[in-house]
Amino acid sequence: QKEVEQNSGPLSVPEGAIASLNCTYSDRGSQSFFWYRQYSGKSPELIMSIYSNGDKEDGRFTAQLNKASQYVSLLIRDSQPSDSATYLCAVTRPGGFKTIFGAGTRLFVKA
Amino acid sequence: DAGVTQSPTHLIKTRGQQVTLRCSPKSGHDTVSWYQQALGQGPQFIFQYYEEEERQRGNFPDRFSGHQFPNYSSELNVNALLLGDSALYLCASSLFEGYTFGSGTRLTVV
Repeated sequence: QKEVEQNSGPLSVPEGAIASLNCTYSDRGSQSFFWYRQYSGKSPELIMSIYSNGDKEDGRFTAQLNKASQYVSLLIRDSQPSDSATYLCAVTRPGGFKTIFGAGTRLFVKA
Repeated sequence: DAGVTQSPTHLIKTRGQQVTLRCSPKSGHDTVSWYQQALGQGPQFIFQYYEEEERQRGNFPDRFSGHQFPNYSSELNVNALLLGDSALYLCASSLFEGYTFGSGTRLTVV
C-alpha cells in the first residue's frame, strides 16, 4: 500500500464546473496535509495546506480533511482552463520532517 | 525576493560518473529538502537538511549524499550514476511547513 494514494486521472471537467480531487493516506499519525499544483514542465507550487478536520477555503479552492477516514480532498469551484495541471497531495509524517507526495491527479478543464 | 534557485538546469552525465547539484533556498528559509521526480510520478523524498545536519532520509542508497552550508544553501551529490538516476531533481526550502520549490535540475544519465 502506497503511503499517499491519488487517482491518476485524467479528470476532465467543463469550464465553470467543480473539480473534485481526492487523496488517501496510510499513516494515521500524519499531521500536516498539502495540495500542490504542477504545470507540465514546471515545479510544484503550494496552493493549500490543512491541519485539522473540516474544510478550509481560499478563493476558489477548498481543502477538506477527515482524519478518521484518512482522507483529504481538494475542490476547485468555477474551474478554468488555466487550472489544467497535475495536482499533488502531500502528507507530512509524524515527527514533521518527511513529506510524502502522491503520484498526482491530472486535471483537464475543457473550454 | 528571490525564490529557490537551483543549478544547473540541465545536465547530461555518463554511467558511473558523479554529479553535484546546488540549491539556494528562499530568503528567510532555513530548511532544505531534496526530491527526485521521475516522469509521470510524484516527487520522492531523498533527504532533508536543517542546521547543516541531515535530519531525515528517504529510501535512497548511500550513493546519494548531501550537505548544507552555514548560509542554508545545499548540495546534492550522487556517485556512481545509474541510468535509473535520470530524473528531475527538486530542491524545496521551508521555514515551518509548506515547501517552496526550485525549478529543478533535469539529470540525464547515458
